[in-house]
Amino acid sequence: KNEVEQSPQNLTAQEGEFITINCSYSVGISALHWLQQHPGGGIVSLFMLSSGKKKHGRLIATINIQEKHSSLHITASHPRDSAVYICAVRLDYGQNFVFGPGTRLSVLP
Amino acid sequence: DTEVTQTPKHLVMGMTNKKSLKCEQHMGHRAMYWYKQKAKKPPELMFVYSYEKLSINESVPSRFSPECPNSSLLNLHLHALQPEDSALYLCASSQGFYEKLFFGSGTQLSVL
Repeated sequence: KNEVEQSPQNLTAQEGEFITINCSYSVGISALHWLQQHPGGGIVSLFMLSSGKKKHGRLIATINIQEKHSSLHITASHPRDSAVYICAVRLDYGQNFVFGPGTRLSVLP
Repeated sequence: DTEVTQTPKHLVMGMTNKKSLKCEQHMGHRAMYWYKQKAKKPPELMFVYSYEKLSINESVPSRFSPECPNSSLLNLHLHALQPEDSALYLCASSQGFYEKLFFGSGTQLSVL
């Protein structure tokens, strides 16, 4: 079993839809990151969470430490949101991140 | 300046070539990372530098040689690579190990 899992693996939505991407992990963590990677490579860090909820524009991220689960929500989705969304956890020991497999999102106009 | 700059963006090299990838940040970050990413896979850690010293080497073959000449620069020297080393090489930095990660746009490497 992978230490970090995401669902769904692939997601296609119509423009304007509300989108949820889930991340679950099985290890102790100090923080969880949501990353966005567009075709062509560059990765952008969207959120870093250690508890509760954060909001930035149309994006909302939540984390439940007890349940070892986090969600990324996108409201009023837009084709420019099409990307791979990666959940990465910072272990509560060590210097590395463990990355989830990513969720490939396509938002159709 | 909140950027991590990587050069070159694309690199094609033969198996006998020697080349270097460069990464630069001016955010005063003390941790810098090299990741390798194959298509449709998440990034895999290669090296971590902390305060300009190598702190993690994830059993990377010696044909990859990292160097941190100062707190703003991170290089990855490549020699005698194999075709299976073709991948996107990403550099990242963070203020500390419990801070947000900033990624460069990557170098797409093809080994012929």
